[in-house]
Amino acid sequence: TQLLEQSPQFLSIQEGENLTVYCNSSSVFSSLQWYRQEPGEGPVLLVTVVTGGEVKKLKRLTFQFGDARKDSSLHITAAQPGDTGLYLCAGVSTNAGKSTFGDGTTLTVKP
Amino acid sequence: DAGITQSPRYKITETGRQVTLMCHQTWSHSYMFWYRQDLGHGLRLIYYSAAADITDKGEVPDGYVVSRSKTENFPLTLESATRSQTSVYFCASLRGTGYGYTFGSGTRLTVV
Repeated sequence: TQLLEQSPQFLSIQEGENLTVYCNSSSVFSSLQWYRQEPGEGPVLLVTVVTGGEVKKLKRLTFQFGDARKDSSLHITAAQPGDTGLYLCAGVSTNAGKSTFGDGTTLTVKP
Repeated sequence: DAGITQSPRYKITETGRQVTLMCHQTWSHSYMFWYRQDLGHGLRLIYYSAAADITDKGEVPDGYVVSRSKTENFPLTLESATRSQTSVYFCASLRGTGYGYTFGSGTRLTVV
């Protein structure tokens, strides 16, 4: 079974601060995805990273895929209250498109 | 609007009863999935389907049954509900490998 460990589990910061969330595994994935989930809703895809070492930017969010394709990070610059939510990473195997999800990081950004 | 619709949004049932959660997609995505989400366990895969009439077990399939007679529908049945099956259930579809999942809004099931 492929496992993904996310850290930290909970993060509470003030508006304007920077933060980084980590997603680590001992397994290699064909790609890795990040989702954001708001209360009462399903997760929504933010980004997919495919190539080892790849960096993708989505406004104030920067996603990086590790060189060995086993880990990833999400960095948020100048966090805003609208960034509050549960952030999930998911490692994609080549088997029928199945993904393994991390347990998530609950982010609270206080105004 | 196109998307994934789950019903009901909320359900309370008694131990031992059979319950069916519905999932409908308006696309023709081949892959569909059922996950449950519990505090401390994240999203765990129950069953998935690669196409109509093709289903397979995920990480936690015991006590659940699925069917997929049509591409757009993927119902999940709890044959005899137990309290441990109290959870939030998410259905998802996948356009193809290399794309992300599209999730429904979830069904919050409480077994009393």
